[in-house]
Amino acid sequence: NAGVMQNPRHLVRRRGQEARLRCSPMKGHSHVYWYRQLPEEGLKFMVYLQKENIIDESGMPKERFSAEFPKEGPSILRIQQVVRGDSAAYFCASSPPGSGVQPQHFGDGTRLSIL
Amino acid sequence: RKEVEQDPGPFNVPEGATVAFNCTYSNSASQSFFWYRQDCRKEPKLLMSVYSSGNEDGRFTAQLNRASQYISLLIRDSKLSDSATYLCVGGSSNTGKLIFGQGTTLQVKP
Repeated sequence: NAGVMQNPRHLVRRRGQEARLRCSPMKGHSHVYWYRQLPEEGLKFMVYLQKENIIDESGMPKERFSAEFPKEGPSILRIQQVVRGDSAAYFCASSPPGSGVQPQHFGDGTRLSIL
Repeated sequence: RKEVEQDPGPFNVPEGATVAFNCTYSNSASQSFFWYRQDCRKEPKLLMSVYSSGNEDGRFTAQLNRASQYISLLIRDSKLSDSATYLCVGGSSNTGKLIFGQGTTLQVKP
């Protein structure tokens, strides 16, 4: 499967635990984006990363959320001390390098449920 | 005001109908636009890019009017399988991120 790979598909955590969401971009894509979709709402941008660099994190909550895209391995979205309001679908997208805005291709998402 | 605004619908149409969705954007820095489709809150899938000159892909036609900051999607000869939520999306090369509209829900009935 050459598409964007996200895992896990579903993740259940208790309040106060940590959630780690992984995303491997499409082959040849060097740009990774994370979006969150709360129940009954549209997708909201969280963060844009390139290898070893955070380009734009204007959509990230100020606390508890962090993201990385290391030189080797998948991009990780990390949520510390989860709360009920973190329950959502988290989508990762990737795009190839290039000038202008490239269409982004999405993974299947991780559905995070907080008990 | 939201950066990308869409009528949420739902639009309920019979098979074979022609349906049009509109979308407005407020950020003139947005340079590229797309229509995505989302089924039952699964992953969004790219439907088509939108150009000022208009573009057509089979039964789907998209149009961008920069002067009015308005984007449209026309679906001809609707199929049951067209039932989905259609997301109007804007992007700026300054930031790379995409700004999604709330989505317009289409339900095609037999």
